[in-house]
Amino acid sequence: DGGITQSPKYLFRKEGQNVTLSCEQNLNHDAMYWYRQDPGQGLRLIYYSQIVNDFQKGDIAEGYSVSREKKESFPLTVTSAQKNPTAFYLCASSTKGLADYGYTFGSGTRLTVV
Amino acid sequence: KQEVTQIPAALSVPEGENLVLNCSFTDSAIYNLQWFRQDPGKGLTSLLLIQSSQREQTSGRLNASLDKSSGRSTLYIAASQPGDSATYLCAVPSGNTPLVFGKGTRLSVIA
Repeated sequence: DGGITQSPKYLFRKEGQNVTLSCEQNLNHDAMYWYRQDPGQGLRLIYYSQIVNDFQKGDIAEGYSVSREKKESFPLTVTSAQKNPTAFYLCASSTKGLADYGYTFGSGTRLTVV
Repeated sequence: KQEVTQIPAALSVPEGENLVLNCSFTDSAIYNLQWFRQDPGKGLTSLLLIQSSQREQTSGRLNASLDKSSGRSTLYIAASQPGDSATYLCAVPSGNTPLVFGKGTRLSVIA
């Protein structure tokens, strides 16, 4: 079955550590996205990529980094510069760029700082 | 900048009721509008996608309407069931921007 796989489901980070969240899709979608969800704040865009080797910052990119070396993969690194990383992270993909078709989401990664 | 508002923030209804969830957006230059469902601790499941040229979309007991000129969409759920309990999110792309989300409506259907 085609879909988006996020791993791990739960992740714990110590203060000062960098951690990487994985997102893989087999839908042959061109565009991929990372959103952050906090209670009461809805989903906020971190980074997005429309094609391989290209990506753009979203509304809350500070403290995060991404890469898009393959069409299928869009990993997100939460760096030590991110002051409040505890949140639920959602990856999504879509066809034909930003606006033509609907988005498909993964099942999310819950990151907790310990 | 696009802003999306969903009303009410929470809703509790007895089983069997028909209900309406509301979504409004500030920039009417949208390509489409998408409704999602989210269960606690889970990812988003797409329910309905309405293209800007359409007025409504239906899937089973769900019907979504779109009035682009007034910046509004509604999600109608017929004959609600306890299994419909979840958070419902609407989202729109506009211009060259990825989806912008509302904060959602948390629905509880009481048996």
